[in-house]
Amino acid sequence: QVQLQESGPGLVKPSQTLSLTCTVSGGSISSGSYYWSWIRQPAGKGLEWIGRIYTSGSTNYNPSLKSRVTISVDTSKNQFSLKLSSVTAADTAVYYCARDAKVGATVPHYGYFDLWGRGTLVTVSS
Amino acid sequence: EIVLTQSPATLSLSPGERATLSCRASQSVTSYLAWYQQKPGQAPRLLIYDASNRATGIPARFSGSGSGTDFTLTISSLEPEDFAVYYCQQRSNWWTFGQGTKVEIK
Repeated sequence: QVQLQESGPGLVKPSQTLSLTCTVSGGSISSGSYYWSWIRQPAGKGLEWIGRIYTSGSTNYNPSLKSRVTISVDTSKNQFSLKLSSVTAADTAVYYCARDAKVGATVPHYGYFDLWGRGTLVTVSS
Repeated sequence: EIVLTQSPATLSLSPGERATLSCRASQSVTSYLAWYQQKPGQAPRLLIYDASNRATGIPARFSGSGSGTDFTLTISSLEPEDFAVYYCQQRSNWWTFGQGTKVEIK
């Protein structure tokens, strides 16, 4: 079955750029009608949606993070990636990649996350 | 931004009891609301989408209801594996999550 796996540095210095990759295995990132999202969770806190990408390259970002976020896709590697610039300690969190599948027989729509990676902890510290 | 407020923060119940969790939106999200379950050290799992539709493989003891601004997740009879944190999430206006309700063993 399809699985997602996050990878990237676990420690990033303040003001630098956080870079993570999500590898999709067990299926093609281009097959089916899916968006691919990044979501984060600071320790002991709730979830925050960061942004998403379609395999065409179309993106949407959380308005509160938009100025610092770039999400890209590499269909040849079956991967999508996150870059978050100018990080601070407030960006310390577990970062998840997730699949956003189309639902709704009568009015198809996206917006729910039916498959998640296991998450990777990124700490921002000097 | 649509703010989702979940209550209670913690629910202490025994196995076999009924759990009722609430999620209130700061403005109408029509029926565009989901519920997730998260266990320690694990990613969230989608339980309910569009307020009342169970996701694939989710047991029938989980049900969702509501529309507009008030939503409820009900677990009809708690199993030991149901003790976890539950989050609601809306997709009406971007995507936001509630702060979670922890269902703990009494």
